[in-house]
Parts: sequence; structure tokens; C-alpha cells
Amino acid sequence: LAKTTQPISMDSYEGQEVNITCSHNNIATNDYITWYQQFPSQGPRFIIQGYKTKVTNEVASLFIPADRKSSTLSLPRVSLSDTAVYYCLVEGEGSSNTGKLIFGQGTTLQVKP
Amino acid sequence: DTGVSQDPRHKITKRGQNVTFRCDPISEHNRLYWYRQTLGQGPEFLTYFQNEAQLEKSRLLSDRFSAERPKGSFSTLEIQRTEQGDSAMYLCASSFRTGSETQYFGPGTRLLVL
Repeated sequence: LAKTTQPISMDSYEGQEVNITCSHNNIATNDYITWYQQFPSQGPRFIIQGYKTKVTNEVASLFIPADRKSSTLSLPRVSLSDTAVYYCLVEGEGSSNTGKLIFGQGTTLQVKP
Repeated sequence: DTGVSQDPRHKITKRGQNVTFRCDPISEHNRLYWYRQTLGQGPEFLTYFQNEAQLEKSRLLSDRFSAERPKGSFSTLEIQRTEQGDSAMYLCASSFRTGSETQYFGPGTRLLVL
């Protein structure tokens, strides 16, 4: 059972900023929040990972409030090529943790011209 | 290309046949994972290797499924007596255990059982 909840789908237009929020109410102290992107007929691709506050890379930003019960992936100025499924996952390290990823259904982002 | 590779990319087989898929992880990665993904769903964990040791298997992995990772390098996933319900994308991922690790996925093998 996925540890996260996110919208099934979102629509946007080229050039807009897209924010996808994910809920993870039962996140554990040692869990990180990770986002993956998947295009049709390809494997998922790592986008960004964070533990708290804000993380930014060349692709996206990740905002995590102090309680860490949710997170928001922000994609600046999306283009048609950003049309994909975006997965939010929580994963942690521990003596019993294998690192396996538990995916939910993800958010299908459709970017329109 | 130094990413994760999988072979074949597509496989069509008849029900009851055996199939074998291969995954070549990123060379320095000691962890290797197999996932299965059906249409409209996220990938589901099947099994996991740390070097050559298979450390966890999902309940999804019935007795007809077997995975190996000899010498801790490439891995194979075999499905015996395939069923139509086995039709799916089979994804392989690898990672190097540090703290919070990133998994790198291959392109997948799409299996269609007729």
C-alpha cells in the first residue's frame, strides 16, 4: 500500500508553473521524499529528493513544510515535453529497509499548447 | 551508455511458454531491483538483490517466477508457464547503497502473453 496520496491528473499550459502536492501523513523520521517522472514506455526517472524545507535543482523545486506531512513538486515554465506521470514516494533507511520503492498511481500531467 | 539496460525490450509469447529477461545494472551499483508495471498503475516491487544475494521477494512473485544475480552483476528474471495475467512491463532498477539512495531504472521489457 502506497504511503502517499496525490492527484490522479492535472492539466496545464506551456509556460505555466505547475505545482503537484503529495500527502504523506505517516512519514517516518528517517524517510526522505522523492519524486520520479515517467514517460510512456520508459522506466521512471529520478527528479528530486528532499528531507525538509526546500530543495532545488535544474529541473524542479521541492517544498516540504516543517511537519513533513506533505510536499509540493514545482515545475517552472512547463513545456509539452513535461507531459508525463509524476510519482511521489517516501523512502527511508533502516535496519529492515531494503530501499524498495512503493509507488502509488502517480499524477498524470498533461501540458497543452 | 552507462545506464541500466534491459533485454529484450519487447517479448510476445504464448501462454504456457517460459520467458527470461536480462538486466544489466550500472556497474558500481550493488543493489538491483525488479518491478512489474501494468497499464495505468505505478510499478510494483517484485524482488531485490544486494550483490548476489536475493534478500526480499514480494508475494506477487509466485513460484513460476525466479530471479538470479550470479556474481552480483547482471540479473535474470524467468517466468515459467506464462499466463495472460503476466502481461506487463518488467522494470529493473539499480542503486548504490549510501544514505537515501536514488534508483536508476532501465527502459523495461514489455511482455505480452497471448
